Amino acid sequence: GAVVSQHPSRVICKSGTSVKIECRSLDFQATTMFWYRQFPKQSLMLMATSNEGSKATYEQGVEKDKFLINHASLTLSTLTVTSAHPEDSSFYICSARDNRISQGRGSPLHFGNGTRLTVT
Amino acid sequence: GESVGLHLPTLSVQEGDNSIINCAYSNSASDYFIWYKQESGKGPQFIIDIRSNMDKRQGQRVTVLLNKTVKHLSLQIAATQPGDSAVYFCAERSATDSWGKLQFGAGTQVVVTP
Repeated sequence: GAVVSQHPSRVICKSGTSVKIECRSLDFQATTMFWYRQFPKQSLMLMATSNEGSKATYEQGVEKDKFLINHASLTLSTLTVTSAHPEDSSFYICSARDNRISQGRGSPLHFGNGTRLTVT
Repeated sequence: GESVGLHLPTLSVQEGDNSIINCAYSNSASDYFIWYKQESGKGPQFIIDIRSNMDKRQGQRVTVLLNKTVKHLSLQIAATQPGDSAVYFCAERSATDSWGKLQFGAGTQVVVTP
């Protein structure tokens, strides 16, 4: 159980275009999801916290107008990279916290398998 | 072998030996810690977790030790196998964060040699 699916797994786009990445919790509901970014040989950097039915909370230094997050349902959050540039090329990973676990804050997050974005 | 996970160092371990991966954290308010394993091109996989009211927790072939006094966390892997080759990250959660977000450490690359 507790599977998080990301789509697409890889995407190549041209500079100036927008790309949407989907994150779905397949067998549980998640009021809260998180989006991370990872450059090669580096750690995961938290970009934003996505909450169903409300605006996302962005980490310091992350442009909310560039990285649009929509958490439309309890099983789906999307990240749209707008007007992508080569420096946006990275590995984007989402994670979700299972609503079923009452002490949600004390439970591990479940991660998707990431989306490799390449902007040419 | 032993390694400090502050800037993605590499820990080379011979198959069958025990591995020790270290992690330092800085937030005194962190009350929950997790070790994740990440294989190339994949998302992190949960290994083991520990709450701040504990100092040791054991799983299958893995043990996590927490020293809150010096803000140090370690992961011990017994009888390391080739399938253990991956990058290992510690992650922490602050008690003051309402959403329960995780902040990740730098990671350690573990390479298991035959």
